[in-house]
Amino acid sequence: NAGVTQTPKFQVLKTGQSMTLQCAQDMNHEYMSWYRQDPGMGLRLIHYSVGAGITDQGEVPNGYNVSRSTTEDFPLRLLSAAPSQTSVYFCASGLSRGGGTDTQYFGPGTRLTVL
Amino acid sequence: AQSVTQLDSHVSVSEGTPVLLRCNYSSSYSPSLFWYVQHPNKGLQLLLKYTSAATLVKGINGFEAEFKKSETSFHLTKPSAHMSDAAEYFCVVSRPTGFQKLVFGTGTRLLVSP
Repeated sequence: NAGVTQTPKFQVLKTGQSMTLQCAQDMNHEYMSWYRQDPGMGLRLIHYSVGAGITDQGEVPNGYNVSRSTTEDFPLRLLSAAPSQTSVYFCASGLSRGGGTDTQYFGPGTRLTVL
Repeated sequence: AQSVTQLDSHVSVSEGTPVLLRCNYSSSYSPSLFWYVQHPNKGLQLLLKYTSAATLVKGINGFEAEFKKSETSFHLTKPSAHMSDAAEYFCVVSRPTGFQKLVFGTGTRLLVSP
């Protein structure tokens, strides 16, 4: 198993540009999520999905869109990039939509800089 | 509402000495608690988790944590630090049932000197 994969690893954007961060998992996990990591703030949940066709907002959803057309993929779209979106983005997946005891598996991250 | 406070942003130890990373939590529910580790430029890896079974939880690489409800704490310990333990550590709280939304602490950076 490749686990959770993310592309690209690094990206530089100009303010106002749009782009999509890719996330895929091959563990047949129902639950997938996106986090951003900023210095001194831990990880904050952006959006999550509990299955194909079902998504919902997390703590910091503004400026981001998601969709879940398949179990495997959960892309994150930046609609119009802003310098405040400079961050490291992590995708995670978990076995089931319920059960707080489930382990979540994290991808290696995408480091995004917006100029 | 749930929250996690990691009491130290940085902890420095010498190789071979004990490690203590402190975490206090607040939760309306009886929580699930996790410790994740992040090595430089890497993703997060689960070290251990508490799920209302044994209060002393053993994880990978010799780490363990004790759930203390009376103190609302879940401190991470290791008897003897190794150079490879140098990383950032996150304490995380979650609801025990229903949809799992993780709430992260701000992280503790562990520095290990020779």
